[in-house]
Amino acid sequence: EAGVAQSPRYKIIEKRQSVAFWCNPISGHATLYWYQQILGQGPKLLIQFQNNGVVDDSQLPKDRFSAERLKGVDSTLKIQPAKLEDSAVYLCASSLRRPGLKIYEQYFGPGTRLTVT
Amino acid sequence: LAKTTQPISMDSYEGQEVNITCSHNNIATNDYITWYQQFPSQGPRFIIQGYKTKVTNEVASLFIPADRKSSTLSLPRVSLSDTAVYYCLVGAPYSGGGADGLTFGKGTHLIIQP
Repeated sequence: EAGVAQSPRYKIIEKRQSVAFWCNPISGHATLYWYQQILGQGPKLLIQFQNNGVVDDSQLPKDRFSAERLKGVDSTLKIQPAKLEDSAVYLCASSLRRPGLKIYEQYFGPGTRLTVT
Repeated sequence: LAKTTQPISMDSYEGQEVNITCSHNNIATNDYITWYQQFPSQGPRFIIQGYKTKVTNEVASLFIPADRKSSTLSLPRVSLSDTAVYYCLVGAPYSGGGADGLTFGKGTHLIIQP
């Protein structure tokens, strides 16, 4: 089966510009996650969707970051305006998360490497 | 949220068995323990998950003592390609529709030498 798709793979922007990342999860996966991974650190969850509803966005900097998942499939993460400290890899993941499923596995995409100059 | 503690780095040699221990003193009753592997320029990849005692799959074993306050990921006969960062996470697979509460720490950077 096809994995999680993300685009673009790389993006370079200047500070105060805006940028958007796209994610297409594995077909049938109701749960979608966006993570930010700064060099040398583990992934940090930004937002979690269950279908098209948000279940956790407690670590999303809402003054500049936004995300949507229309129709419960694809998702877009936007940063506006970008800051230097937003330079990181943005990872999208999806999972088949439902009651009774004991194995909890997130499938990650390749990520988008963002450089803010 | 349960917090995990694991060594920052470990070294080993090809053909050896490697054990990476993770501490999670505040693990909750409903929490499972999950390990991920991450290579440079790739997203993390699921390795194994367990609740108690021992779990084994084709790539690793996971040992969890009775008090569940720690766990050990065991990689048998490692090769150079096992050089990666390994993350230990705790959380509930399904919490009634709410957030998973999974948190990645800094992980353990495992370096395998010839």
